[in-house]
Amino acid sequence: SAVISQKPSRDICQRGTSLTIQCQVDSQVTMMFWYRQQPGQSLTLIATANQGSEATYESGFVIDKFPISRPNLTFSTLTVSNMSPEDSSIYLCSVEALTMHNEQFFGPGTRLTVL
Amino acid sequence: GENVEQHPSTLSVQEGDSAVIKCTYSDSASNYFPWYKQELGKGPQLIIDIRSNVGEKKDQRIAVTLNKTAKHFSLHITETQPEDSAVYFCAAPKTGTYKYIFGTGTRLKVLA
Repeated sequence: SAVISQKPSRDICQRGTSLTIQCQVDSQVTMMFWYRQQPGQSLTLIATANQGSEATYESGFVIDKFPISRPNLTFSTLTVSNMSPEDSSIYLCSVEALTMHNEQFFGPGTRLTVL
Repeated sequence: GENVEQHPSTLSVQEGDSAVIKCTYSDSASNYFPWYKQELGKGPQLIIDIRSNVGEKKDQRIAVTLNKTAKHFSLHITETQPEDSAVYFCAAPKTGTYKYIFGTGTRLKVLA
């Protein structure tokens, strides 16, 4: 399995500001994903972070609101832009490598509260 | 469309009893079914998975069964312990992609 870390682990932010979340993996992986988990809810895929190209967003999520970077095979960032209280959620990074045979592993999450 | 239904949404059992959580999927081409455990304040942890070429897989106190004909798979936890208390999610891949569709989750409470 892969060891995944996220920074920050939690934050409280003001409406209208932006927050960048970092995801670091201890080994090179092919696929990196960003999920949102609203309070008491299941996981919703925001986008796939592609190394060297623009991220692929799911329906309902746009690049202007959630810009994503992936400069190499072990690191990605997700920015939550122009935040509102509705963005209060847990944001999770996950990874999958070809050698993991479809298995996806999740980071510990970033708990975001927007006031 | 593709869908994963999970039941029950909450489950309380006495310590030592068994717990069963069931998921149904809609895409007959799905071939990989993981189960995740999420403890409070943590990210989901992969606890067991099954591929479509087998009907059952066990790992100590947990097992997963798959019925491809009926398109459902279940998580079985035997001899439950208080530390099994968590939210459990099933998932299935979206056809032809590396993306997962997650179930709605089951909050398991093991009563001491």
